[in-house]
Amino acid sequence: NAGVMQNPRHLVRRRGQEARLRCSPMKGHSHVYWYRQLPEEGLKFMVYLQKENIIDESGMPKERFSAEFPKEGPSILRIQQVVRGDSAAYFCASSWFPDGSGANVLTFGAGSRLTVL
Amino acid sequence: AQTVTQSQPEMSVQEAETVTLSCTYDTSESDYYLFWYKQPPSRQMILVIRQEAYKQQNATENRFSVNFQKAAKSFSLKISDSQLGDAAMYFCAYRTLLGDNDMRFGAGTRLTVKP
Repeated sequence: NAGVMQNPRHLVRRRGQEARLRCSPMKGHSHVYWYRQLPEEGLKFMVYLQKENIIDESGMPKERFSAEFPKEGPSILRIQQVVRGDSAAYFCASSWFPDGSGANVLTFGAGSRLTVL
Repeated sequence: AQTVTQSQPEMSVQEAETVTLSCTYDTSESDYYLFWYKQPPSRQMILVIRQEAYKQQNATENRFSVNFQKAAKSFSLKISDSQLGDAAMYFCAYRTLLGDNDMRFGAGTRLTVKP
């Protein structure tokens, strides 16, 4: 079980470029969450997706940010026209229902660090 | 809305000693889950311990245990016999029992272990 895989681990973009971050959930997980970690801050929820559906995007900035989780392939967090303030670590997590308890314990990926020059 | 507060940005402990990390939360729910996650320098988030709110018994996991005070909405983490490898950021987190809600994290506590 390879766990939650995120790539790239490090991404450097210039202002105005596009950034795409990928997340492959754990095998059998059908729920994906994206978090952003700003320097010296905790993780901030961005978006929650099930396959082909965005369930909750209340934490997503209204512009330039989008996410998808297609039927096949990884979840993608896309940031258009990046600005320096987008520099952060972006974590993906996936979840399942252990023991039928309904406790969606999240398994996190190692994160992708975006640096905007 | 549920909020999670970790009032200690940094903590330090001597190797082999015991340290307690504080966490309080705010919720109107009666049943929920609480977690402590460890984030070492690798940035991987690692689940340390989990507590179901409907269970009165405090969860334990080897050297890690919690003091769960439901009425006070407090969920502290105790690390016994601290080891150098325990040095990391520790995040307290909350999740509702029902539905597919996201997890809410505290701001984290940076733990330093002195040899």
